[in-house]
Amino acid sequence: DIVMTQSPSSLAVSAGETVTINCKSSQSLLYSGNQKNYLAWYQQKPGQSPKLLIYWASTRQSGVPDRFIGSGSGTDFTLTISSVQAEDLAIYYCQQYYDTPYTFGAGTKLELK
Amino acid sequence: QVKLLQSGAELVKPGASVKLSCKTSGFTFSTSYMSWLKQVPGPSIEWIGWIYAGDGGTNYNQKFKGKATLTVDKSSSTAYMDLSSLTSEDAAVYFCAGGGIPFAYWGQGTLVTVSS
Repeated sequence: DIVMTQSPSSLAVSAGETVTINCKSSQSLLYSGNQKNYLAWYQQKPGQSPKLLIYWASTRQSGVPDRFIGSGSGTDFTLTISSVQAEDLAIYYCQQYYDTPYTFGAGTKLELK
Repeated sequence: QVKLLQSGAELVKPGASVKLSCKTSGFTFSTSYMSWLKQVPGPSIEWIGWIYAGDGGTNYNQKFKGKATLTVDKSSSTAYMDLSSLTSEDAAVYFCAGGGIPFAYWGQGTLVTVSS
């Protein structure tokens, strides 16, 4: 199975700050046939289902604010949230869909400082 | 508008089975991959498997083979998951997710509690 390692596990931020969440996979998620990285990011707020934010490592899902930016390739990926707002406080997960079983990182909890 | 409506919370005895449902609308169910996922406090999310509604083909996470059985009813655009021989390890919130991979559409989750 592909292991997804996220860091940090939690992050305390003030509104307006820029934050970076890291995700590392145990093998490359870049498929040579189409040069796409099979990596997604989700946001989960308390009591809610996860919400897809980013797919193909850097493509924002429809309706997702442009302050959410996904980057990276191969085995190292980053989710950057610029100018964090109170509504962004949640747990963020990375997930690989390169191969089954699809696997998730353990999550990064974004908290208010 | 896409909707995935899951069945209500379940309290089941150890050793028993339970069947969860996920009724969908707003997308073409018959050509969709429907996945099921497990979330336990930690928090962590595990993918259980998917079923292709078109022909009933399945792909299970090896960890859940023998534990979960996925089925669909195309006539009602509903996906089902049977969980068998439940133990305390199966207590979790279970989500259905549809619309393909990655998981763009999610149900609200079903809490399964295992207790005698």
